[in-house]
Amino acid sequence: EAQVTQNPRYLITVTGKKLTVTCSQNMNHEYMSWYRQDPGLGLRQIYYSMNVEVTDKGDVPEGYKVSRKEKRNFPLILESPSPNQTSLYFCASSLAGFDTPFFGQGTRLTVV
Amino acid sequence: AQSVTQLDSQVPVFEEAPVELRCNYSSSVSVYLFWYVQYPNQGLQLLLKYLSGSTLVKGINGFEAEFNKSQTSFHLRKPSVHISDTAEYFCAVSDRDMRFGAGTRLTVKP
Repeated sequence: EAQVTQNPRYLITVTGKKLTVTCSQNMNHEYMSWYRQDPGLGLRQIYYSMNVEVTDKGDVPEGYKVSRKEKRNFPLILESPSPNQTSLYFCASSLAGFDTPFFGQGTRLTVV
Repeated sequence: AQSVTQLDSQVPVFEEAPVELRCNYSSSVSVYLFWYVQYPNQGLQLLLKYLSGSTLVKGINGFEAEFNKSQTSFHLRKPSVHISDTAEYFCAVSDRDMRFGAGTRLTVKP
């Protein structure tokens, strides 16, 4: 089954404690991206990757890091989380940046 | 860079009434257009998309949207809504990458 898998689905953490949200896709897609969803703001792109070892900033990259060492995986790293990063996060993948993305189920992160 | 404006943040309607969710976009190049639905506590599901060809696009669950290039709009419509259509709806536009609108919360009342 074609899917994008995010883990964990729910996470509560404390300010400053490094965390990683994993994302994996099984469709051999070139393009992967991370979004955060906040009420009244829709989905905003954090980072994207057009291919292995190629990543670039989206609209709201501050406080986040990503890596793309393999085509299937695109982890999101918060080196020092802060309460304003409390949000719902989605990973997505597609054949290309303009193509129809497949979304993961989301990760609800709370930073206290 | 492209941008998307969803003109209504909330749309309350009664069951079996028609509904239109409005979406306008701006872009300097040709774009692809999408509508996604998000049910409570779930991820995003593709409703329909416009890539090229006929400007009237039919999607799942009885929804359709019309691409209007001159008005740069891609409004979503359904002739008769059900309680189960209660959800948040997102319009999105992509050229090089994808941008989403802020969302419209559709509430269908009995």
